[in-house]
Amino acid sequence: EVQLVESGGGLVQPGRSLRLSCAASGFTFDDYAMHWVRQAPGKGLEWVSGISWNSGSIGYADSVKGRFTISRDNAKNSLYLQMNSLRAEDTALYYCAKDWGESIAVANYFDYWGQGTLVTVSS
Amino acid sequence: SYELTQPPSVSVSPGQTARITCSGDALPKQYAYWYQQKPGQAPVLVIYKDSERPSGIPERFSGSSSGTTVTLTISGVQAEDEADYYCQSADSSGRVFGGGTKLTVL
Repeated sequence: EVQLVESGGGLVQPGRSLRLSCAASGFTFDDYAMHWVRQAPGKGLEWVSGISWNSGSIGYADSVKGRFTISRDNAKNSLYLQMNSLRAEDTALYYCAKDWGESIAVANYFDYWGQGTLVTVSS
Repeated sequence: SYELTQPPSVSVSPGQTARITCSGDALPKQYAYWYQQKPGQAPVLVIYKDSERPSGIPERFSGSSSGTTVTLTISGVQAEDEADYYCQSADSSGRVFGGGTKLTVL
């Protein structure tokens, strides 16, 4: 059974940093691209960032480019999101999502999602 | 950046057909996908590659594509189909979601 478990969320002041983690199990982690998708309270889904199976290709939404860094450790079956210079508008539930394929360059879909970790940016 | 446009809301009575559209300039060149999200739950894929239905998704869910618009059709809507629906595709920098459509079953 595929499982994606996010952690690392919490309350953080504007301008500070936070690192999210996603522990994956139930599939061959290094065969697939992975993503972070967020959802602000009462709002829609927003793709944040994606990383290919071997970290060779990485993409970011314009809203987080230059502030967030995605990475993965295939030996630990883990995905990460380093979030710096956080803003109030980054407040959201952050989902870890598995890609159907290995590359972020192909318009694939997300076939499994975690339950999310909540990030609240407020003073 | 690339945008996908959905109507904010659609309302139908039980047993009727609901159609939710998603428009985007790149849709003729890129596949579209549809997700259902119920309150407090993670999204679930209901249609992939414009019109394919994953295993476990009821046959009443179908998808179609015409030019720059893709459509999610739910035939014989049931109360349990009340949810938010999102289309998703891609642009040169990554993935894109539509703004979402709230389906209300009257």
